[in-house]
Amino acid sequence: GAVVSQHPSRVICKSGTSVKIECRSLDFQATTMFWYRQFPKQSLMLMATSNEGSKATYEQGVEKDKFLINHASLTLSTLTVTSAHPEDSSFYICSARPGGVSTDTQYFGPGTRLTVL
Amino acid sequence: KNQVEQSPQSLIILEGKNCTLQCNYTVSPFSNLRWYKQDTGRGPVSLTIMTFSENTKSNGRYTATLDADTKQSSLHITASQLSDSASYICVPHPTGTYKYIFGTGTRLKVLA
Repeated sequence: GAVVSQHPSRVICKSGTSVKIECRSLDFQATTMFWYRQFPKQSLMLMATSNEGSKATYEQGVEKDKFLINHASLTLSTLTVTSAHPEDSSFYICSARPGGVSTDTQYFGPGTRLTVL
Repeated sequence: KNQVEQSPQSLIILEGKNCTLQCNYTVSPFSNLRWYKQDTGRGPVSLTIMTFSENTKSNGRYTATLDADTKQSSLHITASQLSDSASYICVPHPTGTYKYIFGTGTRLKVLA
């Protein structure tokens, strides 16, 4: 149980285009989903927290107009990187926290490798 | 400021050997501390979770220890296998928030 999927696993795009990454909780409802970014040989950095049906909360230094987050249902959150540039190339990981129970456990997705040319 | 420092940064060992990874943190108060394994190009997978009152927790060949007084934790890997090659991340979870604070990680390479 507690499986989180991400799609796509890898994406290559041209500079200036937008890319959408999906994060799904497959066997549980996720009240809260988190988006992280990880650069090579570095640890995960939290970008934003999203609660179903409300606006995401972004961490300091993360541009909310560039990284659009939508958490429209209890099993799906999307991250759209708008007008992507080479410096946005990174490994993006989502996690999901089950709703309805008092828990701080997050279940992580497998990640999406974004390469911007 | 909450910080999590792990050592060593990287480690190379031979298959079958044991190793111990260290984690020093300043997160306080915290509700629990987790160790994750992250394979290259994959998301983190939970290995152990300890509350602040627990001293040790095992999961197969992985044994985590916690000393809340000195704010140190360690992860001991017994009889290492090639598949143990990965990054190991210490995550003390602050009380009162759903946010995780990730350590800097230790990259382990197990050689045949």
